[in-house]
Amino acid sequence: NAGVMQNPRHLVRRRGQEARLRCSPMKGHSHVYWYRQLPEEGLKFMVYLQKENIIDESGMPKERFSAEFPKEGPSILRIQQVVRGDSAAYFCASSPGGQGKDTQYFGPGTRLTVL
Amino acid sequence: QKEVEQNSGPLSVPEGAIASLNCTYSDRGSQSFFWYRQYSGKSPELIMFIYSNGDKEDGRFTAQLNKASQYVSLLIRDSQPSDSATYLCAANTGGFKTIFGAGTRLFVKA
Repeated sequence: NAGVMQNPRHLVRRRGQEARLRCSPMKGHSHVYWYRQLPEEGLKFMVYLQKENIIDESGMPKERFSAEFPKEGPSILRIQQVVRGDSAAYFCASSPGGQGKDTQYFGPGTRLTVL
Repeated sequence: QKEVEQNSGPLSVPEGAIASLNCTYSDRGSQSFFWYRQYSGKSPELIMFIYSNGDKEDGRFTAQLNKASQYVSLLIRDSQPSDSATYLCAANTGGFKTIFGAGTRLFVKA
């Protein structure tokens, strides 16, 4: 049973470019979460999605960031016009149920470097 | 602001000793609690979850929950150098969002 998959594992972008990060949840999971982790810091919640729906995006910056989880295909976190401060590790997690006692399992992460 | 607090460490213990990691949370409505281990440059890996007051044991790991004190701990018995990592505590209030602490760095000296 494949785990959570993320690609690319490493992404380098210049300031002003767009970054697209992909996440495929574990088989049987329909709930996806995105987190950002700066060096030496904890995980910061960004957004929670179900298929075709954004459930909670309270952790998403108001500008330049968007996320989707289409009916077919992976979830995508999109960062437009990247800046150096966007450099971080972005982790995706998935869960089967999405609430309360539901356990999240993490993907390997995408390390974004903005030059 | 709902928070999960952890001592950043580093916590250093000799090989074979018991490592005790602590975590407090601010939201009294939190219902479920998780411990993750994260090696440098890697993603968080689930170690244990606990929902009820008391102790929960799994191999060398014991999670302890005290809801009255809003306190969660993780004990690692017979610590090994391979246990050296950052340990993340997380709490969920029953809603959609799980709040993570900043993590405690553990070093196990051979």
